[in-house]
Amino acid sequence: DQQVKQNSPSLSVQEGRISILNCDYTNSMFDYFLWYKKYPAEGPTFLISISSIKDKNEDGRFTVFLNKSAKHLSLHIVPSQPGDSAVYFCAASVLRDSNYQLIWGAGTKLIIKP
Amino acid sequence: DAGITQSPRHKVTETGTPVTLRCHQTENHRYMYWYRQDPGHGLRLIHYSYGVKDTDKGEVSDGYSVSRSKTEDFLLTLESATSSQTSVYFCAISGVRGQQYFGPGTRLTVT
Repeated sequence: DQQVKQNSPSLSVQEGRISILNCDYTNSMFDYFLWYKKYPAEGPTFLISISSIKDKNEDGRFTVFLNKSAKHLSLHIVPSQPGDSAVYFCAASVLRDSNYQLIWGAGTKLIIKP
Repeated sequence: DAGITQSPRHKVTETGTPVTLRCHQTENHRYMYWYRQDPGHGLRLIHYSYGVKDTDKGEVSDGYSVSRSKTEDFLLTLESATSSQTSVYFCAISGVRGQQYFGPGTRLTVT
């Protein structure tokens, strides 16, 4: 059973417009939700996170929104730039045995069109 | 950048052969992780370590073993590689608030 789901395998957005990436989860025990960005032939890099007790977190062009009642989070990128083209992974962390473990979504490939 | 390196970066091997992948960190982090990434699955945890000689299984540990004899090195071994283990393997170390920092990955092909 997938506890973290990204239902859109890909998303295409015009440069300068808003990109919205979505993620759903099933487990209410997650402590943090994180977004990672991945370029080809590189490891994932941390982008932004949100605590489960918050509704919104903003960092420059990136904002993450958390809707706990719907078990849904979204990443907004405004304005979208060509360098934002990458695969974006949503992940949720849970504390197990004094260690945060991450549960990952399958990823969404974002393509920014010039 | 977190100081994490992986070797080799690419490997082609035959079914039934043993393979060892190495992860090296310079950050002196206690927790280290091995993941595999496959299309449609995101990243899946294979094994993790919480200290020298202390390891535990993840979600997809069958067919894999790990060892950690020094804080900086975490080895992943496929005792007898199978085609289903063709994947991209990532090593990670833990940060704050659930964050993890990843190495560049090893692309393994089992023919």
